[in-house]
Amino acid sequence: EVQLVQSGAEVKKPGESLKISCKGSGYSFTTYWIGWVRQMPGKGLEWMGSIYPGDSDTRYSPSFQGQVTISADKSISTAYLQWSSLKASDTASYYCAREFGGSSYGHWGQGTLVTVSS
Amino acid sequence: QSALTQPASVSGSPGQSITISCTGTSSDIGGYNYVSWYQQHPGKAPKLMIYDVDDRPSGVSNRFSGSKSGNTASLTISGLQAEDEADYYCDSYTSIRTRVFGGGTKLTVL
Repeated sequence: EVQLVQSGAEVKKPGESLKISCKGSGYSFTTYWIGWVRQMPGKGLEWMGSIYPGDSDTRYSPSFQGQVTISADKSISTAYLQWSSLKASDTASYYCAREFGGSSYGHWGQGTLVTVSS
Repeated sequence: QSALTQPASVSGSPGQSITISCTGTSSDIGGYNYVSWYQQHPGKAPKLMIYDVDDRPSGVSNRFSGSKSGNTASLTISGLQAEDEADYYCDSYTSIRTRVFGGGTKLTVL
């Protein structure tokens, strides 16, 4: 069974750094793209970017390019989303998702709630 | 890269059919047969309902169907049931090798 298990909720202050994780199991981690999706409180889904763990090929939405870094450690089947300096506007739930059929996201993590507040 | 355009809300009575539209451009929906639809219940992760415009993953009811014409994709739900009440999002591959979601549509079953 394909599973994506994300790290737990975080509460941070503006300016702090953060790295959240998404561990894949039940499939070959290196052969499927994993994407990250933001959902701000009460708002819709926003595609942030994705990574192909096999060769670390990474793509970013123009809206998130330079704002976050996506990475993966294939030795432990884990993808990451990180910020170097959080802002209050980064408060949101973040989902990781694995591609399905190469053109959609058929498997999702449970989400990680990030709260940034002074 | 602008979000795809969806109606903010749609509604229907049990047993009826509804259609949710998703409008993009020739650089996303119109250029590729890579449109997906997701259902999201409050507090839950999204669930894939339709992929590649009109394919259903195993386990998804055949009451859900997808189509595309030009730059607009559509999700149709027939035989509405109370459990279908949720938010629905479309998503497309784009010409700059990224993805883009629609703004989401709240479906209310009356």
